[in-house]
Amino acid sequence: NAGVTQTPKFQVLKTGQSMTLQCAQDMNHNSMYWYRQDPGMGLRLIYYSASEGTTDKGEVPNGYNVSRLNKREFSLRLESAAPSQTSVYFCASSEAGERGRRTEAFFGQGTRLTVV
Amino acid sequence: AQKITQTQPGMFVQEKEAVTLDCTYDTSDPSYGLFWYKQPSSGEMIFLIYQGSYDQQNATEGRYSLNFQKARKSANLVISASQLGDSAMYFCAMRGHDYKLSFGAGTTVTVRA
Repeated sequence: NAGVTQTPKFQVLKTGQSMTLQCAQDMNHNSMYWYRQDPGMGLRLIYYSASEGTTDKGEVPNGYNVSRLNKREFSLRLESAAPSQTSVYFCASSEAGERGRRTEAFFGQGTRLTVV
Repeated sequence: AQKITQTQPGMFVQEKEAVTLDCTYDTSDPSYGLFWYKQPSSGEMIFLIYQGSYDQQNATEGRYSLNFQKARKSANLVISASQLGDSAMYFCAMRGHDYKLSFGAGTTVTVRA
C-alpha cells in the first residue's frame, strides 16, 4: 500500500532553473495539498486542491504553480527557482468529507530542495 | 482566515511523566476538524488524534488525549506516560472552510531519561 508518493526525494537546483515535484496517491482521495516546511515555521500551505479539476492558493503561493492532472496526481512547479525556495516540500491527501468529519491527511515522505 | 497558534517552541519532559502541548485556533466556521501530528527526526508526518467541532467528548487515542475547550478555541494535546520515542516535533492543524488544512508552527518535545 503505497499511500502518497513524492518524487524526487532530494534535488539541488541553480537559481533560475525550473522543476516539477510530482505527487501521486492511491487512496482515491479528493483533496490534495502541497506544503513547505522551514525551520521554526511549521508547515505552510502553498496550494491545495479540494477535488479533481480545482486548485486554490494557500498561504505562500508566490513562485509556484500546480496542476491537478487527475484524481491521483497533483504536481508542484517552480518556474524560476530562487534561494528562498530552499525548503522541504510535502504533498498530502485526504478524503473531502464534511468539514466536521475525521479526514486526516496522509503525507508523502517529503522532497528536500536546495536552490543555490 | 483560519489561524493556528502553538506558543511553546520547545518543551522538556521526564520519562513517564505527562506533558501538555498548547494549541489555540481562530475560525468563524461552525464546523471544523482539529488534528495533531507527530514528526520524528526522520521527517515523516504521523497522524495522532482528531477532534471534531461538534464532538461532545474529548478525543482519546491510547496515550494521547485532546483537551478540547470550544469556547476558548483551544485544543491541547496531552501525552501521558511519556516515552523516549515521543521525542519529536508536534503539530496542531485545523481543517475548516474550503477544506483547507492549516498547521501551527509546532512544538518540539524532548523526553529525558
